[in-house]
Amino acid sequence: AQSVTQLGSHVSVSEGALVLLRCNYSSSVPPYLFWYVQYPNQGLQLLLKYTSAATLVKGINGFEAEFKKSETSFHLTKPSAHMSDAAEYFCAVSGSSFGDMRFGAGTRLTVKP
Amino acid sequence: EPEVTQTPSHQVTQMGQEVILRCVPISNHLYFYWYRQILGQKVEFLVSFYNNEISEKSEIFDDQFSVERPDGSNFTLKIRSTKLEDSAMYFCASSERPGTGGNEQFFGPGTRLTVL
Repeated sequence: AQSVTQLGSHVSVSEGALVLLRCNYSSSVPPYLFWYVQYPNQGLQLLLKYTSAATLVKGINGFEAEFKKSETSFHLTKPSAHMSDAAEYFCAVSGSSFGDMRFGAGTRLTVKP
Repeated sequence: EPEVTQTPSHQVTQMGQEVILRCVPISNHLYFYWYRQILGQKVEFLVSFYNNEISEKSEIFDDQFSVERPDGSNFTLKIRSTKLEDSAMYFCASSERPGTGGNEQFFGPGTRLTVL
C-alpha cells in the first residue's frame, strides 16, 4: 500500500531563507507524488506533481521538488521564502487504484519577517 | 478559473441527525471524490465516484455514508446518523480523468462539520 510521511509538523523560516519541507514515501509500485498547499479557509491547491517524466519537478510560486528513489524522498524546496508562503503543505501519493490519494499529516510553514 | 465549490462552509448538527454536504465539481470533470480531515490528523480518502456509481471506497466509508449526483452539477455526501467522531473537515474533489496515473484532483474549500 502507498503512504507518505511528512517529517516535521511545523517549520518556521525567516523571510528570504531556504524552505525545505520533507516527505518520504512508501510504495510497492512506481509512485505518483504530489505536493498540495492549503491557505487558511481555502481548499487544497496543487503545487507540483511527479509522474516519472523528470526527477526534478518545478511547480508554482517558485517551489520545486526532487524525486529520489534511493532515499524514497520527495522533499519540497524554495530558495527564498516569502511571507505569502505561510500555509499548510501536504505531500500525497496516488497509487494504482482508481483515485485513492494518500496524504501526509501536513507541515505548517511559518515565515517570520 | 473554474473551481470546486462546497456548501455549507460550516455545519453544526446534533448527534444522530442526518447531514448532507454539497459540492459542485468543475463542470467538465467526470470523476468525483470525498475526503475528510479530522482536526490535527491526516486528510483521508473516503470515496470516489464515476458514471453514477461508487468506484472505490475506504474502510471509513461505512453504511452510514452515501454519495449521490442528483443532477448534472451537484455531488453530495450524506451521513445518515452522525456521531461525535464524524466531526471533521470534509473536502470534495473532482478530476477530468481518473485520479490514478498522476492526474490532478481539484479540491474544494471544505465543509467543517461539527457534531454535538
